[in-house]
Amino acid sequence: DTGVSQDPRHKITKRGQNVTFRCDPISEHNRLYWYRQTLGQGPEFLTYFQNEAQLEKSRLLSDRFSAERPKGSFSTLEIQHTEQGDSAMYLCASSHPGLAGVVNEQFFGPGTRLTVL
Amino acid sequence: KNQVEQSPQSLIILEGKNCTLQCNYTVSPFSNLRWYKQDTGRGPVSLTIMTFSENTKSNGRYTATLDADTKQSSLHITASQLSDSASYICVVSESNYQLIWGAGTKLIIKP
Repeated sequence: DTGVSQDPRHKITKRGQNVTFRCDPISEHNRLYWYRQTLGQGPEFLTYFQNEAQLEKSRLLSDRFSAERPKGSFSTLEIQHTEQGDSAMYLCASSHPGLAGVVNEQFFGPGTRLTVL
Repeated sequence: KNQVEQSPQSLIILEGKNCTLQCNYTVSPFSNLRWYKQDTGRGPVSLTIMTFSENTKSNGRYTATLDADTKQSSLHITASQLSDSASYICVVSESNYQLIWGAGTKLIIKP
């Protein structure tokens, strides 16, 4: 499968615990995005990488959240001291910038569903 | 404030019927408008992407329209199938990475 993959698909944790999610983008894509989606809502942008550089972070990304993409390939999203409000689907997407002026399509992974008890 | 609003919130139709979903936006500056299909528990999948100069684009039984003057878009589904049951999300882009997402229309196709 050459699409975007995410691991794990589901995670149940207790409040206060730390969790880490992994995203493997499509191999030739140098842009990687993290989103959070709650039930009945569209995805909310969290952060964006171009290669290993984190270029944009949403105000939604509190100090408890950290994302890395150390070698410009896979990325991890860590949530420390989880709260019940963190329960959501965490989506990763990747894209190739292509030519200037050409719309870059984002390809999404299946998501990681987090439940904080 | 940049916003994307979709209607209806949910829709139930019989298999084989057509339907049209609406999207209004206030995003500025405007780069492009996308429609995504999202099955329950899955990531969104792109259906169409339209830039300012395009006013219609088709992808099989899906046809999207864009009126950049009135800032409205629609997604028309022809001859619906059970597999069309999903959420359809309208997304407007200010730039090539910053996307403003609507809340989606939940479509249910009944046999």
